[in-house]
Amino acid sequence: ETGVTQTPRHLVMGMTNKKSLKCEQHLGHNAMYWYKQSAKKPLELMFVYNFKEQTENNSVPSRFSPECPNSSHLFLHLHTLQPEDSALYLCASSQASGSSNEQFFGPGTRLTVL
Amino acid sequence: GQNIDQPTEMTATEGAIVQINCTYQTSGFNGLFWYQQHAGEAPTFLSYNVLDGLEEKGRFSSFLSRSKGYSYLLLKELQMKDSASYLCAVQDSNYQLIWGAGTKLIIKP
Repeated sequence: ETGVTQTPRHLVMGMTNKKSLKCEQHLGHNAMYWYKQSAKKPLELMFVYNFKEQTENNSVPSRFSPECPNSSHLFLHLHTLQPEDSALYLCASSQASGSSNEQFFGPGTRLTVL
Repeated sequence: GQNIDQPTEMTATEGAIVQINCTYQTSGFNGLFWYQQHAGEAPTFLSYNVLDGLEEKGRFSSFLSRSKGYSYLLLKELQMKDSASYLCAVQDSNYQLIWGAGTKLIIKP
C-alpha cells in the first residue's frame, strides 16, 4: 500500500451507534490530520497530531474522539452522532505540522448519520 | 476573521485557458496552496507559492501577490480530465491551513 489509506470508504450509522474511522499513512510522515468536508463548504480542520501528540482541537464536539497510537495510524471514534455530522471525513499527513509542507490526503470516508 | 474567497463554479471549453482566482484575508501568511479534487476522490497537491510571482508547472501555473492578498491558478490547453474542484488554502501565522470552499470547474467539449 502506498500513500494515505482510509477505511471504511462508506459508513451509515444510527445516532446511537459507535463506530471508528481508520487512517494509515505509508509516507514516513510525522503529522496527521482529520478534516470534515461538507458540500460547498471549506474543509474544516478537526484535529492535528504531530509526533503522536495532539496539537490542535478546533472546538470539535466530544462525540468525535481521535486516537493516534503511532505516527502511521490515526483513528476517529464516533458515538451518538447527529444527522448534521454526515459528511466526507478526510485524513491527511505531512512531514510535520508547523511548517510549509504539503499535505497528502486519503480518499475519505463518506459518513451518513440516520 | 480569516477568509478565503474563490468562485463557486466556472465553465470552460476543452483546449482553452481558464484562470481561477483566490483572495484571502488571514492572520499572517506562510504560503498558499492549490489542490485539485476530482469528485469522490482525495485532494491532490498542485502548487505552493510563498513569494510573489508566477510558478509554472506544465499546463498549470500559479500566481501570488501578497500585497493584494490574491492568487490565481491558470490552466492551459484544458482537457476533459481537468474537470474537478480546485481548492485554495493559505497557511496562517501558526502554519494552520485556512481553506476556501473550492471552485468547481466544468470542461465542455
